[in-house]
Amino acid sequence: SSELTQDPAVSVALGQTVRITCQGDSLRSYYASWYQQKPGQAPVLVIYGKNNRPSGIPDRFSGSSSGNTASLTITGAQAEDEADYYCNSRDSSGNHGVFGTGTKVTVL
Amino acid sequence: EVQLVESGGGLVQPGGSLRLSCAASGFTFSSYEMNWVRQAPGKGLEWVSYISSSGSTIYYADSVKGRFTISRDNAKNSLYLQMNSLRAEDTAVYYCARAQGIKLGYWGQGTLVTVSS
Repeated sequence: SSELTQDPAVSVALGQTVRITCQGDSLRSYYASWYQQKPGQAPVLVIYGKNNRPSGIPDRFSGSSSGNTASLTITGAQAEDEADYYCNSRDSSGNHGVFGTGTKVTVL
Repeated sequence: EVQLVESGGGLVQPGGSLRLSCAASGFTFSSYEMNWVRQAPGKGLEWVSYISSSGSTIYYADSVKGRFTISRDNAKNSLYLQMNSLRAEDTAVYYCARAQGIKLGYWGQGTLVTVSS
């Protein structure tokens, strides 16, 4: 399967921890990357590979992977973390990109 | 500073054509793979196409294969997407994104393509 499935929405209290998951068969073979998108803005890379953060991304963002599931964890969520989050990887052929269905994170 | 600036979007009738451009600056364009990604209004991200740094390797999503053509001009630091036989479902914001392996580290601000009669 070339699909990556995410929960549509999650909520987290300010300062608490939230984990967003991404499931797909291709994740057994390929790492995921994660993107944050705020309304009206382009996506921003927050995590890639095993658990790598681009410069400028706070260390409260972390990634992990096990089997067919990749996860993005926000430890100590802030109001500015409220956004849509998408995972991205390759399909089973390795030639096509594929995005997850997206998760809307609400910070309460 | 890395910059990617898309242009060429607009309103086009079903069956029509459009050519998108992405002007790159602030990095050695010829060293990087590039992708096009789109987002329909109110929907999620959809990968559209990939081109290697030299242009020798190209991939397309099944939804656009045979209708869209990705290309690049490394001398002009530019990426292109020729879109033919456009359909209503191609209506979206189209982003170009710089790739390095699995990561799309830089994105443009996008250009809106509307397919409607």
